[in-house]
Amino acid sequence: KNQVEQSPQSLIILEGKNCTLQCNYTVSPFSNLRWYKQDTGRGPVSLTIMTFSENTKSNGRYTATLDADTKQSSLHITASQLSDSASYICVVQGGRGTSYGKLTFGQGTILTVHP
Amino acid sequence: DGGITQSPKYLFRKEGQNVTLSCEQNLNHDAMYWYRQDPGQGLRLIYYSQIVNDFQKGDIAEGYSVSREKKESFPLTVTSAQKNPTAFYLCASSILIGTSNQPQHFGDGTRLSIL
Repeated sequence: KNQVEQSPQSLIILEGKNCTLQCNYTVSPFSNLRWYKQDTGRGPVSLTIMTFSENTKSNGRYTATLDADTKQSSLHITASQLSDSASYICVVQGGRGTSYGKLTFGQGTILTVHP
Repeated sequence: DGGITQSPKYLFRKEGQNVTLSCEQNLNHDAMYWYRQDPGQGLRLIYYSQIVNDFQKGDIAEGYSVSREKKESFPLTVTSAQKNPTAFYLCASSILIGTSNQPQHFGDGTRLSIL
């Protein structure tokens, strides 16, 4: 069964600190991996999209990495701000085959940034 | 501004009642989707549509129905057959299903509760 597992489930850090969120997946074949940020009571917003040939992609203070061999990704947040408090969702899109185009969502990591 | 509008933001359903959630997009996207989000779980696909007058069941379509009479609109009806409808419902759109590197754009959701 295609799955996406994220860790930790929740994380609390102080403002200005860095943090790293993890995502492991079993989706195969694989097309791309996405990270979304979801504020409480809002819809998810896309942060990065990486195909199997990309191993790092940045969006401001957010840097995502991908190891397609080990099926692992991470999202690193630098110099955290209070506005980074949100749920971060890892999403994997299947490649050609029965799962083509289908998105599999992780359960999310809830990040809380304290002043 | 281009985007996806979901309404209402909050909705209450009585026993035996059907309710309809609205989703409108002005992004000129062909594909539209409905997801259900429950606490601690990843988003689950209810229905999706690739083109006007065509739609397909997702992973949890039972108790739900949709229509796609216009490119811009993809309403979701939660019928009385859905015995556990309390959830956060998200509508999304994208250029094409299965297109790599193209994110799904999400609305801000409708929270449905049972009276």
